[in-house]
Amino acid sequence: GAVVSQHPSWVICKSGTSVKIECRSLDFQATTMFWYRQFPKQSLMLMATSNEGSKATYEQGVEKDKFLINHASLTLSTLTVTSAHPEDSSFYICSAAPGQRSPQAFFGQGTRLTVV
Amino acid sequence: DAKTTQPPSMDCAEGRAANLPCNHSTISGNEYVYWYRQIHSQGPQYIIHGLKNNETNEMASLIITEDRKSSTLILPHATLRDTAVYYCIVRVHNAGNMLTFGGGTRLMVKP
Repeated sequence: GAVVSQHPSWVICKSGTSVKIECRSLDFQATTMFWYRQFPKQSLMLMATSNEGSKATYEQGVEKDKFLINHASLTLSTLTVTSAHPEDSSFYICSAAPGQRSPQAFFGQGTRLTVV
Repeated sequence: DAKTTQPPSMDCAEGRAANLPCNHSTISGNEYVYWYRQIHSQGPQYIIHGLKNNETNEMASLIITEDRKSSTLILPHATLRDTAVYYCIVRVHNAGNMLTFGGGTRLMVKP
């Protein structure tokens, strides 16, 4: 099946610094990728839709200037958490699919961000 | 997307069938039922989906009631590795693969 890879799997950073998370579709092209956030013992919440070659679409309540998304190629989307704070500590997950008519979405393995 | 209701948790003995229910009473005619699962600290994994007929694949079976207001995911012989949170999601088939996750069911398979 299709593979979506995230990097890094986990990261620890200091408050005030920025962290970049990469999401790659390894064997298919994806014009659209999705970024989710998951806090402990909670479900996944959609943060934003990453669109290749255009601006990302953010869900209500998600600060676009804090969570910068870049989708510069058909196989790579990046999420940068700027000026990270401890409350940004979470599990970040991306997903993609080989076309909007694909019957299933493929998820990365997730990135555990801890801000200290 | 239609809302789904699932029990928050279930236990199952290893080797027995795990039957996970899902209610989706407001499902529309063009909406499919999808099941994903999330093993601890991993990304979700697709299991199966269906419209109105029962479906089976190498992972599970999906039974959808005739009125389509509820469904059951069946893991025929649960193993310890099936311990995970199982999400039932209802969505239009070609809705761009954006998924709305509810609370899911935390399945604990016990030896």
